[in-house]
Amino acid sequence: DIQMTQSPSSLSASVGDRVTITCRASQSISSYLNWYQQKPGKAPNLLIYAATSLQSGVPSRFSGGGSGTDFTLTISSLQPEDFATYYCQQSYSTPFTFGQGTRLEIK
Amino acid sequence: QVQLQESGPGLVKPSQTLSLTCTVSGGSLKSGDYYWTWIRQHPGKALEWIGYVYYSGSTFQNPSLKSRVTISMDTSKNQFSLKLSSVTAADTAVYYCARVGDYRDHYFDYWGQGTLVTVSS
Repeated sequence: DIQMTQSPSSLSASVGDRVTITCRASQSISSYLNWYQQKPGKAPNLLIYAATSLQSGVPSRFSGGGSGTDFTLTISSLQPEDFATYYCQQSYSTPFTFGQGTRLEIK
Repeated sequence: QVQLQESGPGLVKPSQTLSLTCTVSGGSLKSGDYYWTWIRQHPGKALEWIGYVYYSGSTFQNPSLKSRVTISMDTSKNQFSLKLSSVTAADTAVYYCARVGDYRDHYFDYWGQGTLVTVSS
C-alpha cells in the first residue's frame, strides 16, 4: 500500500494568514492526489483533485501543487470557516489511501 | 444535485455481519457514469477506503478487508450496499458512502452524511 504522510499534524493560525499543508507519498503517484476538508461531525468535502484542479464551488483561496511524491495544499488567506481538518488521498493505485490528517486551529 | 444517504443498524454484535445501504438521489446508478464507494473513519482517526462497485456488478475491495467485505448494487432501487462479516470492536467506525467523481482520478465528490456503527455485545 502507498503510505501518505501529512505535515504538520496540527497547525495554529490566524484569520488572514497564508497556510501550507504538505503531503508526501511513499512512492511516486504522478498527480493522482486529492485534498478534502472535514469539519466535526460532517463528511469530508472535496477541495482539490488531480493535485491542482479546484473542485467546483470551492473558493479560489484554496490551491494545490506538486507531483510525484510531494504535494501541497495552500490557503492564501484563512477565513473563519476554514478551521477544520484536512486530508490528502492518493488515487494512483488501490487500495486508495489517505493521510492522517492536519488539524487547522485558530490561534 | 446528487445526494447520498446511508442507512442500517447502528449497533452490531461481535462476530455478526454489518449491513449498510446507500440510497442515491439526483442521479441514476444504472447510467454507468460513475463508480460508487464505501469509506470508513474510526473515531478520531483518519479515513479508510473500503471498496467500490460499478453498475456492471464489478467490485474492488481493500485487501485488508477483502475476505470480509461484499459490496453490491441494486439499480432498480438506486441503492448500493456494504456487508462486512465477522465484525469486531475494531470495525466500530463512521461509515460513509460516496460517489467516485472520475474513474481515472478516483476522487470522491459527493458523500453521504455518514452513519456510526458500533460493534458491541
